[in-house]
Amino acid sequence: NAGVTQTPKFRVLKTGQSMTLLCAQDMNHEYMYWYRQDPGMGLRLIHYSVGEGTTAKGEVPDGYNVSRLKKQNFLLGLESAAPSQTSVYFCASSFGRIEAFFGQGTRLTVV
Amino acid sequence: AQSVTQLDSHVSVSEGTPVLLRCNYSSSYSPSLFWYVQHPNKGLQLLLKYTSAATLVKGINGFEAEFKKSETSFHLTKPSAHMSDAAEYFCVVSDTGTASKLTFGTGTRLQVTL
Repeated sequence: NAGVTQTPKFRVLKTGQSMTLLCAQDMNHEYMYWYRQDPGMGLRLIHYSVGEGTTAKGEVPDGYNVSRLKKQNFLLGLESAAPSQTSVYFCASSFGRIEAFFGQGTRLTVV
Repeated sequence: AQSVTQLDSHVSVSEGTPVLLRCNYSSSYSPSLFWYVQHPNKGLQLLLKYTSAATLVKGINGFEAEFKKSETSFHLTKPSAHMSDAAEYFCVVSDTGTASKLTFGTGTRLQVTL
């Protein structure tokens, strides 16, 4: 049972480049989330989804877009990367108020 | 609105001594509360959760936490620290009024020394 899988695990981008982070879960969870983790700030919610075909903004959505075309996948896109988007990104999924399950993270550096 | 305050950014204990990581929360609804642990360069693992059942919650690896509504606290404790407990710990709140969005504290780094 893989749980929550994030691809890629590491990436270096140049300012202005675009990329997509993929999150896949095999637990049939309705809810999926993207967080970013920065030193001393805990995790902050970027976007989330309450079901296939739905997305919503979280605490820090600017500069990111998401899509949930299939229930098991949640994609996070950066259209024009900026150094301020250097961070560790975590995807999570849950059945709701029950605990969330996290992926291993994607370490992104924008130079 | 919900929020979480972890009162210590860094805690250092000796192996075999008790651990106390402090967390206060604010929530407009009856909250669910969680403690997650993150070992270096790893993802987050759930230690324990409170979802309006027993106020004393037992988790994995000997950790437990007590929900105190009057003090709006959810402190994490362990009777005897082990070297493998060295990690970052996050207190997390989820309110019941909206979709399950987790609000994280800023984390407490636990150091365990010999």
